[in-house]
Formats: sequence, structure tokens, C-alpha cells
Amino acid sequence: GEDVEQSLFLSVREGDSSVINCTYTDSSSTYLYWYKQEPGAGLQLLTYIFSNMDMKQDQRLTVLLNKKDKHLSLRIADTQTGDSAIYFCAERAGYNFNKFYFGSGTKLNVKP
Amino acid sequence: DVKVTQSSRYLVKRTGEKVFLECVQDMDHENMFWYRQDPGLGLRLIYFSYDVKMKEKGDIPEGYSVSREKKERFSLILESASTNQTSMYLCASSFRRRGNTEAFFGQGTRLTVV
Repeated sequence: GEDVEQSLFLSVREGDSSVINCTYTDSSSTYLYWYKQEPGAGLQLLTYIFSNMDMKQDQRLTVLLNKKDKHLSLRIADTQTGDSAIYFCAERAGYNFNKFYFGSGTKLNVKP
Repeated sequence: DVKVTQSSRYLVKRTGEKVFLECVQDMDHENMFWYRQDPGLGLRLIYFSYDVKMKEKGDIPEGYSVSREKKERFSLILESASTNQTSMYLCASSFRRRGNTEAFFGQGTRLTVV
């Protein structure tokens, strides 16, 4: 499958910004996604970005896409303890629009 | 409210047993997926199906098979369970189209093989 890579852990203080990074390999990816997984639950979509965009903002979330470097980031402003979760980056590969490839997930720990 | 429902949250099975994990979606999605999730490895695709009776191997199909007899239901079968198949199993579904289409997930089944 495709390689989607993320760092495993991130720890921030409440009120700070969190930035979660992701790199992917398929330059033909059309859509890139961020999912959130809370303990004991499945994954829920947070946001997505189309590959012809550089940035997308949705309330406290900002997604940045550097297509040249195949780098995706998720910034969470004013991080709260309720944001503690695992965040997955995913790409939908362009050559096969049926499949989603996920990263290893970044566990975000928000300290009060 | 859209739903992907997995039949069990927790399962404990013995080595060598045949295990069935069931998943049902109510969104009329063409695509359905089975992933396993292990710490540090993220989600790895086991199998996916893009239509009734159609299936395609993912990255780690060994030891697993699948069945899709109806559009809404996708079953994962462990032919002879082994301890290295202890994991969290996640089912997902999506539309099959070129435009944006997110994958919707079930709540997961935590399988322990003893």
C-alpha cells in the first residue's frame, strides 16, 4: 500500500496550538483527510482537503498542504483537554479512488 | 444519522477457532473495508469490496477471507484464529466516486485470541 507517515506522539499544554504533521507518497492523491479517534471508539472525520488547495480553515482547525513536498499538517488552535485523542492522516490514492491509506496515527496528549 | 455497525465490541476466541466479524452499513455505500489497528502501525487494510460479491486484497490479507453477499453487509472471516490476530478490527464504508467521499467507520471490534 501507500506510505503515509506521522510521528507517534505529541504533548501540548491546554490553550497552546497543536501541529500534527504527515507525509504521504502518492503524488496523484486527490483528497487528503484528517480523522480523530477517541479512546475505545472508531474514527470520525475531522476535515479534508482537495489536492488543488493549499490551505483550508474550519473553526479551530487549519489544514496546510504542500503538494511539492507531499506534506500535510493539521493545526488545532487553543487546544483543549477534549482534543486528546489519536489523529490519523489519510490519503485517497488518485489511481484507485476506492482505497484509503492511513498513517500510524499521532497520539495527542493535552496537559491542563 | 449515518451508521456503520459492527456486530461485537469485544470478542474472545480460542486458537484454531473460525471467527466471523460482521459489519452492516445503512448508507447504500458501494465500498466497504476491513482494517486492523495495532499500536504504532496505524490502520492496515485487510480486504475491501467495491460491489456485491467483489473483493480485493489489501496489504495484509493472509489468514483472512471476506464475504459480501448483500450490499449492506461485509463479513471478515478468520479461518483458524491465531494469537497474532489479536487486534482491534475496524470496518468502514464509502461511496465509490471520483469526487470527495469520506470513509465512515464502525466502533471497532476488539478481538482477543487465547
